[in-house]
Amino acid sequence: QITLKESGPMLVKPAQTLTLTCTFSGFSLSTSGMAVAWIRQPPGKALEWLALIYWDDDKRYSPSLGSRLTITKGTSKNQVVLRLTNLDPVDTATYYCASDTTTRKYFDYWGQGVRVTVSS
Amino acid sequence: SYELTQPLSVSVALGQTAKITCGGDNIGSNNVHWYQQKPGQAPVLVIYRDKYRPSGIPERLSGSNSGNTATLTISRAQAGDDADYYCQVWDSSTLWVFGGGTKLTVL
Repeated sequence: QITLKESGPMLVKPAQTLTLTCTFSGFSLSTSGMAVAWIRQPPGKALEWLALIYWDDDKRYSPSLGSRLTITKGTSKNQVVLRLTNLDPVDTATYYCASDTTTRKYFDYWGQGVRVTVSS
Repeated sequence: SYELTQPLSVSVALGQTAKITCGGDNIGSNNVHWYQQKPGQAPVLVIYRDKYRPSGIPERLSGSNSGNTATLTISRAQAGDDADYYCQVWDSSTLWVFGGGTKLTVL
């Protein structure tokens, strides 16, 4: 059974850096082809893909946010970390992590999401 | 960049058929995936690669894709189908792309 769960601060100040952790089980990011992605959803708005990391540490970033984003494997084998710098209130959203593979290019399992508010 | 266009809202009478479209330039040459999202919940994959259903998704949900339009069809609509639906493709330049979402209302 594959599960993912996001964790991180619920409130951050403008200009700060957001660090979110995705903790997963039921698969290994060491397995060839596996990947974990981050997707966000501002209140009342659409889903937006942010970043993805592959089993071999290859990474992909949203062209519109790329310079502000960093995705890495965590210190634990079953974790992926997302960092988003220079926060603005427009970054207020629910942030989800989800699983993917090199061949699928879609998200078959999702975490429950973590709501992050950017406000002073 | 590649863009996907969905109607903001679609309404369907209980027991009838709803069609939710997803438009994109030559989208028929891409694999299209669909997600259902109910209020306060994470999205759930309901159709992948145009027409395939993950385990547990009812046969009432089906997908098609041709030309510039992909379609999610929900037959015999039920109250539980009331949700937001998002299409998604992978494009070599824009990478993972979502449509703007369609709110399905079952009347």
